[in-house]
Amino acid sequence: DTEVTQTPKHLVMGMTNKKSLKCEQHMGHRAMYWYKQKAKKPPELMFVYSYEKLSINESVPSRFSPECPNSSLLNLHLHALQPEDSALYLCASSSGQPHSNQPQHFGDGTRLSIL
Amino acid sequence: AQSVTQLGSHVSVSEGALVLLRCNYSSSVPPYLFWYVQYPNQGLQLLLKYTSAATLVKGINGFEAEFKKSETSFHLTKPSAHMSDAAEYFCAVSRSSGNTPLVFGKGTRLSVIA
Repeated sequence: DTEVTQTPKHLVMGMTNKKSLKCEQHMGHRAMYWYKQKAKKPPELMFVYSYEKLSINESVPSRFSPECPNSSLLNLHLHALQPEDSALYLCASSSGQPHSNQPQHFGDGTRLSIL
Repeated sequence: AQSVTQLGSHVSVSEGALVLLRCNYSSSVPPYLFWYVQYPNQGLQLLLKYTSAATLVKGINGFEAEFKKSETSFHLTKPSAHMSDAAEYFCAVSRSSGNTPLVFGKGTRLSVIA
């Protein structure tokens, strides 16, 4: 069992749909991350939140919109996605600041398929 | 800038044999290094971390890694492979600044043959 919980585990959506991915952790971590992972590749960083503020946006298209409502919760809102956005979306969290050298703890991800 | 290189995209070992997964780092300052494992259809799980306290680091599931500054290496080993060790393994280095706090290697897929 992981301490970072992601829902849903699987999501299939059309290109015109709006959906959201949810991530929750109760370890008291103040840094939270969204990654995108394609098959047989390492995770690619998308966004970083530090103390509930967006600190890093890796030039992600605006069809992905992150939100951090509180220190335990991280959302990723999806709209008008493209087929190439199909991937495993991973959430992670770590204690302290993102560059504090603390390990990141990952959820099991949401497998997203765009029709 | 810190980076890691994993040698070998695929390693195959027999059950009971030694597992050796290679990782070399590039860093101008003492790095913080991690090994993660990813089982099929799961997220990444932290195996172990090096934070300069000891050069030989023991992790979960019988894995360990040795930090060798002279070789800029942080190879992952396990004395005896088990079928359940089959997975993707990522070496990663923590960055103290810049846009990417954690930089991953390309990964090594470990297969265990019965």
